[in-house]
Amino acid sequence: DVVMTQSPLSLPVTLGQPASISCRSSQSLVYSDGNTYLNWFQQRPGQSPRRLIFKVSNRDSGVPDRFSGSGSGTDFTLEISRVEAEDVGVYYCMQGTHWPWTFGQGTKVEI
Amino acid sequence: EVQLLESGGGLVQPGGSLRLSCVASGFTFNSFAMSWVRQAPGKGLEWVSSISSSGGVNTYYADSVKGRFTISRDDSKNTLLVQMNSLRAEDTAVYYCATGYRLLGAAWGQGTLVTVSS
Repeated sequence: DVVMTQSPLSLPVTLGQPASISCRSSQSLVYSDGNTYLNWFQQRPGQSPRRLIFKVSNRDSGVPDRFSGSGSGTDFTLEISRVEAEDVGVYYCMQGTHWPWTFGQGTKVEI
Repeated sequence: EVQLLESGGGLVQPGGSLRLSCVASGFTFNSFAMSWVRQAPGKGLEWVSSISSSGGVNTYYADSVKGRFTISRDDSKNTLLVQMNSLRAEDTAVYYCATGYRLLGAAWGQGTLVTVSS
């Protein structure tokens, strides 16, 4: 199985400051169709997960533009340009290239 | 508005069975692959199973549930199902249904809690 390794696992942040989460996969996430199926999710306390980013860098509808995704191959990053209070929660990366799909351990973002 | 509403969770003894349902609305259900993802108490997300669109010819399972869980869909009722047999304590989790598989998670349900305990 593809192992997804996130860092850090805990991220203290300051309101208005940038934040960054790294996600590394144990093998390349480039699929045979040329796409890279790397998604990012946010899970606020007590809520269901919400997808923020799909295929590395595509923001979902309604996601603030302070969230951005980047990377290629095996190294990926989620960045928050200016953290807001509502961004508190756990963030997960997930790969949909190789069965079985696998998630990272999660990064807890707290103010 | 896209909505996914799970039901069927509860307390079950080890070795028992449970069937979860997820009723979808607000989108063309039969055009979308669907998935189940679970989250054990205080833990991270774990993909469980996926089914292809339009009748669900193709199904996929995590090794941890293969042979015990069966995913299916009833497109006439906009409903995703999972039959869970031979349940174990480690199956205790909140079970979410979600749209898609490679692009999993454009929409999620609120989750239903399954507790396996004697």
